[in-house]
Amino acid sequence: QVHLVESGGGVVQPGRSLRLSCAVSGFTFNNYPMQWVRLVPGKGLQWVALISNDGTAQYYADSVKGRFSISRDDSENTLFLQINSLRTEDTAIYYCARAAYPYFDYWGQGTPVTVSS
Amino acid sequence: DIVMTQTPLSSPVTLGQPASISCRSSQSLVHSNGDTYLTWIQQRPGQPPRLLIDKISNRFSGVPDRFSGSGAGTDFTLKISRVEAEDVGVYYCVQSTHFPWTFGQGTKVEIK
Repeated sequence: QVHLVESGGGVVQPGRSLRLSCAVSGFTFNNYPMQWVRLVPGKGLQWVALISNDGTAQYYADSVKGRFSISRDDSENTLFLQINSLRTEDTAIYYCARAAYPYFDYWGQGTPVTVSS
Repeated sequence: DIVMTQTPLSSPVTLGQPASISCRSSQSLVHSNGDTYLTWIQQRPGQPPRLLIDKISNRFSGVPDRFSGSGAGTDFTLKISRVEAEDVGVYYCVQSTHFPWTFGQGTKVEIK
């Protein structure tokens, strides 16, 4: 059974950094590209970033490029999202999801991030 | 970036009646391989998102057949033939043809 479990969210001050994790099980992790999507209050779902199955390619939304970094550790079956220079507009629930066709087929429960002073 | 525009943003529906959501993209979503990567996602209150339909009209495993997708190029539609109480939530279209992938603003389906 496919499982994705996010962690690492919390309340942080603007300008600080945070690293989110997504531990997966139930499928061969290194066969799958993976992605992060966030649910922004009052605005809806926003696609954040994607990493290829071998980790050599990363793609980002314009709004996070240069501040966010997606990575993976295939030995630990874990996906990461490093978030630097946090802004109030980064407040959201962050979801990880598989990114191979049929894209968006499995999601985690999400981890909330609140950026506030 | 491709802009995805959904209408309406809110859809109050009577139980048992149909609902329809439109999604328009600012550019064609036809990939160079000939496929069109337009997906519909449902998010019920307090739940993670759920895949409903991919490549315009392919229902994902376990999705009831009252949900259907149609369209081509830049214009797409999600239809619910008879709305049930469990269908309450926000529905999003998302394109995965061009990076960065982009979502529509979401359409809230609620019961009248």
